[in-house]
Amino acid sequence: EPEVTQTPSHQVTQMGQEVILHCVPISNHLYFYWYRQILGQKVEFLVSFYNNEISEKSEIFDDQFSVERPDGSNFTLKIRSTKLEDSAMYFCASSGVGQYEQYFGPGTRLTVT
Amino acid sequence: AQSVTQLDSHVSVSEGTPVLLRCNYSSSYSPSLFWYVQHPNKGLQLLLKYTSAATLVKGINGFEAEFKKSETSFHLTKPSAHMSDAAEYFCVLPSGTYKYIFGTGTRLKVLA
Repeated sequence: EPEVTQTPSHQVTQMGQEVILHCVPISNHLYFYWYRQILGQKVEFLVSFYNNEISEKSEIFDDQFSVERPDGSNFTLKIRSTKLEDSAMYFCASSGVGQYEQYFGPGTRLTVT
Repeated sequence: AQSVTQLDSHVSVSEGTPVLLRCNYSSSYSPSLFWYVQHPNKGLQLLLKYTSAATLVKGINGFEAEFKKSETSFHLTKPSAHMSDAAEYFCVLPSGTYKYIFGTGTRLKVLA
């Protein structure tokens, strides 16, 4: 069964450093998403992406964040200058055209020290 | 505003006994609703979905949920818990085309 994959599974970085989280969505999906879950809190929507542009973003997704689909298979989330409060589990998801159902990856745990 | 409330952060049941995980929603229109499960170190997996067809929805692994508009609820049930059901469960409300609104999650513990 096709699945969404994410790398790395765990990323440790120092405050102020740039990080890029990688996702490979399901191959025939056209909608892509990033969510995050700070430890002990709910999963929060960050951004959705379709047709090479952002469809919707939350207030969390400020200028420090960016997304990119650099080729036909990858979907990345970049945080330019990480803060301690960016420490969280980041989930990538994808969905097909006309589908409400999103398929999630296993997540990348980002730890900012 | 749309929202989802999961009423219990932790639920413990004995193996073989029924499971009830509660979810209430708030929406200005008739929503779709999902339940997802997350096992340790795994991604979020869709358990079942309600999309305005039958109000009693059956999912994987013997789980089912009933959409009750009058109570604005979408509780998840299973007649008999198995050890492998121990996980975190999320009630999810799709908002528009592009995002999900998650509940805070319920961690299910199954006692031998």
